[in-house]
Amino acid sequence: GQQVMQIPQYQHVQEGEDFTTYCNSSTTLSNIQWYKQRPGGHPVFLIQLVKSGEVKKQKRLTFQFGEAKKNSSLHITATQTTDVGTYFCAGRGAAGNKLTFGGGTRVLVKP
Amino acid sequence: GAGVSQSPRYKVAKRGQDVALRCDPISGHVSLFWYQQALGQGPEFLTYFQNEAQLDKSGLPSDRFFAERPEGSVSTLKIQRTQQEDSAVYLCASSLQAGTETQYFGPGTRLLVL
Repeated sequence: GQQVMQIPQYQHVQEGEDFTTYCNSSTTLSNIQWYKQRPGGHPVFLIQLVKSGEVKKQKRLTFQFGEAKKNSSLHITATQTTDVGTYFCAGRGAAGNKLTFGGGTRVLVKP
Repeated sequence: GAGVSQSPRYKVAKRGQDVALRCDPISGHVSLFWYQQALGQGPEFLTYFQNEAQLDKSGLPSDRFFAERPEGSVSTLKIQRTQQEDSAVYLCASSLQAGTETQYFGPGTRLLVL
């Protein structure tokens, strides 16, 4: 079955620094979504990428979908304490509505 | 409503007990999803409804798990004869239409089986 992996599992970042988290699927995806989950909270939708090579920006967050539609990345610039949480990617295969979530990248920010 | 709501928020069950978890999706949302999230893991798909039809139940871990959405709005996830490995957060999500829509998650029900 479809598997989605995320690296790194943990990301300790100094406030103000940049970092990138990566998402890789075992199969080609029709689209990929990114969610953020704060400690004790529930996943909150951030963005969806559909097209091969697509790049979308939300303020300090830059999302990219790979050319082969099997991988994606999230880059955060000038990290702030409000960025703390777990970032999940979730891929949708060619058929059906099922989303397969990665294991998440847990981001801790050092002030 | 303003968002997806779930009840109860917390449930402690003795092993072997049956539990029922409720999800109220956003009004008018066609699609409803159930996920299981173990501690430190990503949500894992359990089942999917489009209106009242259960179109995909491939993620249900055993026949002890049963979900329904009889009128196409509120959904119930029932777990029979709970086991310790069922301890997790059960998340419900809804989306406006079928297909590639954004999923809006509820706060989850945290189930602890002793």
